[in-house]
Amino acid sequence: DAKTTQPPSMDCAEGRAANLPCNHSTISGNEYVYWYRQIHSQGPQYIIHGLKNNETNEMASLIITEDRKSSTLILPHATLRDTAVYYCIVRDLHGSSNTGKLIFGQGTTLQVKP
Amino acid sequence: DGGITQSPKYLFRKEGQNVTLSCEQNLNHDAMYWYRQDPGQGLRLIYYSQIVNDFQKGDIAEGYSVSREKKESFPLTVTSAQKNPTAFYLCASIRRGGAFNTEAFFGQGTRLTVV
Repeated sequence: DAKTTQPPSMDCAEGRAANLPCNHSTISGNEYVYWYRQIHSQGPQYIIHGLKNNETNEMASLIITEDRKSSTLILPHATLRDTAVYYCIVRDLHGSSNTGKLIFGQGTTLQVKP
Repeated sequence: DGGITQSPKYLFRKEGQNVTLSCEQNLNHDAMYWYRQDPGQGLRLIYYSQIVNDFQKGDIAEGYSVSREKKESFPLTVTSAQKNPTAFYLCASIRRGGAFNTEAFFGQGTRLTVV
């Protein structure tokens, strides 16, 4: 199974960029990197995903290194409402199906401070 | 609107009783998943199903059972064999087919407390 490693916690000042790193050194060629976040006692919310190119949407940017062994989620202007646990996930393909297991790590608790 | 619904949001049961958690989706997704989350911890996979009438064990399946008789529904039964059932349970679904880049949708969770 491809696994990810994230720092357990990070702080960020409100209005500044939050850069959340993730290592996925065993990622294989067809596996995508996904980011989700979970606000306390709610279901995780999808943020962004990518394969090898950098991606940007209205919520965040995703930077994937050229060797694909790590990535960084960037929240360009963090707000207090961005305080959450952020999960980096690599899709684990199962058999001939292209809907494999979703394996979550411990995630990074981001605390945005005023 | 399409979505994934878990019910109830809070559930209390006496020790030794089986309890079934509901998960329904109207997104026409093929794959569904059950996770358990303990305080301050990440999500651990209990069971998953990629197609109707088929399911596989995840990392912590002992003490749980599932069924997948309909595409829309993937109920989880927490049996009396589960030693520490008190937890937050999350259900998710993913569309199958096409490229490998589909996102998962999560329900809002069921918080089970066994007393």
